[in-house]
Amino acid sequence: EADIYQTPRYLVIGTGKKITLECSQTMGHDKMYWYQQDPGMELHLIHYSYGVNSTEKGDLSSESTVSRIRTEHFPLTLESARPSHTSQYLCASSEPGTGANVLTFGAGSRLTVL
Amino acid sequence: GESVGLHLPTLSVQEGDNSIINCAYSNSASDYFIWYKQESGKGPQFIIDIRSNMDKRQGQRVTVLLNKTVKHLSLQIAATQPGDSAVYFCAENIGSGYALNFGKGTSLLVTP
Repeated sequence: EADIYQTPRYLVIGTGKKITLECSQTMGHDKMYWYQQDPGMELHLIHYSYGVNSTEKGDLSSESTVSRIRTEHFPLTLESARPSHTSQYLCASSEPGTGANVLTFGAGSRLTVL
Repeated sequence: GESVGLHLPTLSVQEGDNSIINCAYSNSASDYFIWYKQESGKGPQFIIDIRSNMDKRQGQRVTVLLNKTVKHLSLQIAATQPGDSAVYFCAENIGSGYALNFGKGTSLLVTP
């Protein structure tokens, strides 16, 4: 069972609302990631972090922002949600150090913006 | 954004048969590959990995084959079971420390 937790699992909100998707891991991993996945499609990296106070944008442009104040916590925020943000958001983490990079994923947060 | 519909290739196999799922990659600098399984409503789960200095690796009921000449990766599942029904993704890592790049998944459907 993965030790990475995402909340909420499902969220339906109206346009213009601010939302934060939570992600926490108890494995002490330095590296954390957010991927966006539309139904039946591949995963696209939108944000990553190599440690506290380190955040970078991924390959897919996203209007979301992230923060990394604590090692175990990597929340993702949308200041003003739009229907185009409807998607599944997957958080992952990986072990510290260089080399092989096996990601452990959370169960995902499925966001629907009306 | 939201997709219009499913775009996954689908593989349908009978229970007990062997399954082969294929993946092509384009970056010759990729040095590490992972297969993930994603069941409905869940995040991807690690199945098996292989480094670029190998051409075959075996796990429990699964084998990954890597052909660097044609940049091709395959996942073989022996004696496929209903619990194997899921979407399978290959992912590649280039160098050290960076996130994985995921390919388009393949939906495996196991019929009784």
